[in-house]
Amino acid sequence: DVKVTQSSRYLVKRTGEKVFLECVQDMDHENMFWYRQDPGLGLRLIYFSYDVKMKEKGDIPEGYSVSREKKERFSLILESASTNQTSMYLCASLGGEAYNEQFFGPGTRLTVL
Amino acid sequence: GQNIDQPTEMTATEGAIVQINCTYQTSGFNGLFWYQQHAGEAPTFLSYNVLDGLEEKGRFSSFLSRSKGYSYLLLKELQMKDSASYLCAVMDSNYQLIWGAGTKLIIKP
Repeated sequence: DVKVTQSSRYLVKRTGEKVFLECVQDMDHENMFWYRQDPGLGLRLIYFSYDVKMKEKGDIPEGYSVSREKKERFSLILESASTNQTSMYLCASLGGEAYNEQFFGPGTRLTVL
Repeated sequence: GQNIDQPTEMTATEGAIVQINCTYQTSGFNGLFWYQQHAGEAPTFLSYNVLDGLEEKGRFSSFLSRSKGYSYLLLKELQMKDSASYLCAVMDSNYQLIWGAGTKLIIKP
């Protein structure tokens, strides 16, 4: 069964803290994505990666960075968290036979105080 | 710019049929997706249309008209568990997904 996991379901951080969000997939997928989801807005792509050590900016990369050192793991980093980064963060992976389907992790609800 | 439009909220009755519409304007088209998202959970894949016409999958069907930039998701024999948000997304010419804001579907007994 396809599985994407994220390190935390809920996270509370202070302004200025460095935040790491981890995502792991067990499907040997090449492509992985980080989105944020806010009420009234569609999912917005922050960064994606199509291979190990490869990364591409999405629509809203400012204030974020990513790391893909291993195929199964894609990390999102907030170098200095700000209150406007309070959001739901969703990781997804895509690949294999169902190449047209993105599989999502359960999401991390991040609150920055 | 790229744009996906769908209604913010819809209400329907248990056992009835509901149609959720989605219109899009994107740079290129490589398919349209529908996802279901229950509150507090991750989106789950429902359907994928890349050719015009109707795709049926049990109680759910999805329709696409590329010339009109239009799709709908049809849910039949509604059940309370169908209460969720339904997200429309289009894959553009760069194979990136452009997402609508989602339609919250409320099912009443």
